[in-house]
Amino acid sequence: GAVVSQHPSWVICKSGTSVKIECRSLDFQATTMFWYRQFPKKSLMLMATSNEGSKATYEQGVEKDKFLINHASLTLSTLTVTSAHPEDSSFYICSASSPSGNSYNEQFFGPGTRLTVL
Amino acid sequence: QQQVKQSPQSLIVQKGGISIINCAYENTAFDYFPWYQQFPGKGPALLIAIRPDVSEKKEGRFTISFNKSAKQFSLHIMDSQPGDSATYFCAASKGPKLQFGAGTQVVVTP
Repeated sequence: GAVVSQHPSWVICKSGTSVKIECRSLDFQATTMFWYRQFPKKSLMLMATSNEGSKATYEQGVEKDKFLINHASLTLSTLTVTSAHPEDSSFYICSASSPSGNSYNEQFFGPGTRLTVL
Repeated sequence: QQQVKQSPQSLIVQKGGISIINCAYENTAFDYFPWYQQFPGKGPALLIAIRPDVSEKKEGRFTISFNKSAKQFSLHIMDSQPGDSATYFCAASKGPKLQFGAGTQVVVTP
């Protein structure tokens, strides 16, 4: 159980285009989803937290107009990188959590999406 | 400011040896301390987690030792195997947001 998927697993796009990444919780309802960014050989950097049906909360320094997050249902959150530029190239990882059960703080991570902007 | 400090940055251990990774934190409000394993090109996977009311937790070859007074916790990988070669992250949280350590790249040599 507790499987989180991401789609696509990798994407290459041209500078100036927008890219949408989907994050789905496959076997549980995720009231909260998180989006992280990870550079090579670095730790995970939290970008934003989203709760189903409400606006995402962005971390300091993350451009909310650049990284649009939608958490429209309890099993789906999307991250759209708008007007992508080469510096947006990175590994994007989502995670999902639910307050039900014994492990309130446990986050289940997706497999990640490699974005390359040419 | 990094709230969770992890060391070493990397380590090499022979097959069958013990890998030890240490983490220290400042925020005494943290009440959940997980360890994640990440392989290249993959998302992190939860290995084992501990809460501050216990000093040790063991699951198979993986053990967390927790020292509340010192605000430190560590991961021990017993009988390390080549398949354990990965990057390991400690984390801490109070509430839903995790604070990650910088990561430790572990290489287990045959």
